[in-house]
Amino acid sequence: QVQLVQSGAEVKKPGSSVKVSCKAAGGTFSTYSLGWVRQAPGQGLEWVGRITPFVGLTKYAEKFQGRVTITADKSTGTAYMELTSLRSQDTAVYYCASYDSNGYLDYWGQGILVTVSS
Amino acid sequence: ETLLTQSPATLSLSPGERATLSCRASQSINTYLAWYQQKPGQAPRLLIYDTSNRATGIPARFSGSGSGTDFTLTISSLEPEDFAVYYCQQRNNWPLTFGPGTKVDIK
Repeated sequence: QVQLVQSGAEVKKPGSSVKVSCKAAGGTFSTYSLGWVRQAPGQGLEWVGRITPFVGLTKYAEKFQGRVTITADKSTGTAYMELTSLRSQDTAVYYCASYDSNGYLDYWGQGILVTVSS
Repeated sequence: ETLLTQSPATLSLSPGERATLSCRASQSINTYLAWYQQKPGQAPRLLIYDTSNRATGIPARFSGSGSGTDFTLTISSLEPEDFAVYYCQQRNNWPLTFGPGTKVDIK
């Protein structure tokens, strides 16, 4: 069973950047990918992107291309998601989640609330 | 992008009743559909994958069916802990997309 522990809540100004983390308990990633999904207050789920740590391959939703970067540190089992040029619409809970062998998101972190406000 | 629509938006039922939730895709997704349950303040939990396979630890009262563009999640007899929001998600077409959710609340 994979346990994912995410960093704490963030409050940012419009136009700034945020970098949040997601650590796999035990310090090692599974063989598969890790994804990021966000949820605006009272809204549904939106896929942001994914990384396959062992090969360093990333894919991003077109909506976030150019503003998001997902990285992973295999030595510590920690993944990061950086979002730049923040606007109020980016206020959301950001979840990391691991992909299982079937390509679905089976284990999720607890979520990080990112608030963008002047 | 494959759009997923879910109906109804809200389903008001009593414990013990049967719940039937629908998810429709804008194009064929074969059987590459999952269902997630989310309770307030919690992360989503994977219930069903590849249309009809229950994830580890998911009770047998949850079942899924469908193929192509039309899918159904059935909860055979609602338990108090089943009142939540349910999302469908497809992985057949890039990018991965979610439906807007169906809220199952207590009547």
